[in-house]
Amino acid sequence: DAGITQSPRHKVTETGTPVTLRCHQTENHRYMYWYRQDPGHGLRLIHYSYGVKDTDKGEVSDGYSVSRSKTEDFLLTLESATSSQTSVYFCAISGGQAAYEQYFGPGTRLTVT
Amino acid sequence: GIQVEQSPPDLILQEGANSTLRCNFSDSVNNLQWFHQNPWGQLINLFYIPSGTKQNGRLSATTVATERYSLLYISSSQTTDSGVYFCAVRYNTDKLIFGTGTRLQVFP
Repeated sequence: DAGITQSPRHKVTETGTPVTLRCHQTENHRYMYWYRQDPGHGLRLIHYSYGVKDTDKGEVSDGYSVSRSKTEDFLLTLESATSSQTSVYFCAISGGQAAYEQYFGPGTRLTVT
Repeated sequence: GIQVEQSPPDLILQEGANSTLRCNFSDSVNNLQWFHQNPWGQLINLFYIPSGTKQNGRLSATTVATERYSLLYISSSQTTDSGVYFCAVRYNTDKLIFGTGTRLQVFP
């Protein structure tokens, strides 16, 4: 299994509060991704990174920001959480031998009340 | 943008049965992956298969890129095969586009 951890694994927060989710990898892969998974929508890309300090938007980036100051860490921040951001968030990495094959972390279940 | 459609959306099997899951995509792709999401939510890589055929135990996959589809075969299904199966494609970018999945339930 790829070395990907996410923290926290579960979080309940109130509307309007800031939230940061962390993804940590031990594979030294170049690419890192944040997805959200909602019923009826499958997995949708929020943001991704193609190197330290290099990030780009996905299809559902509004309300989210990311940062990557080290190869191994990719942070997802909800500046002011809303109930529509209640979801399961997955981190993924790629850049190994099969350069674009993605591997997923265990997920973070976020509930915004 | 590219469309990824999976069929059937739901599948119910008795243990020991075989099944075929299909993934159609609307444009040429650079690669294709199959994932299994188990009932605990974990996403497990099954195949990285931009073209051709691969086999791993009771599972095999075939991608015919020129005809824009991929098939996942599950033989002698077991209850542990239950969950949701996703295909995802990459085209012209670093991003994967996911289908909406096939939910498989295998009963003893």
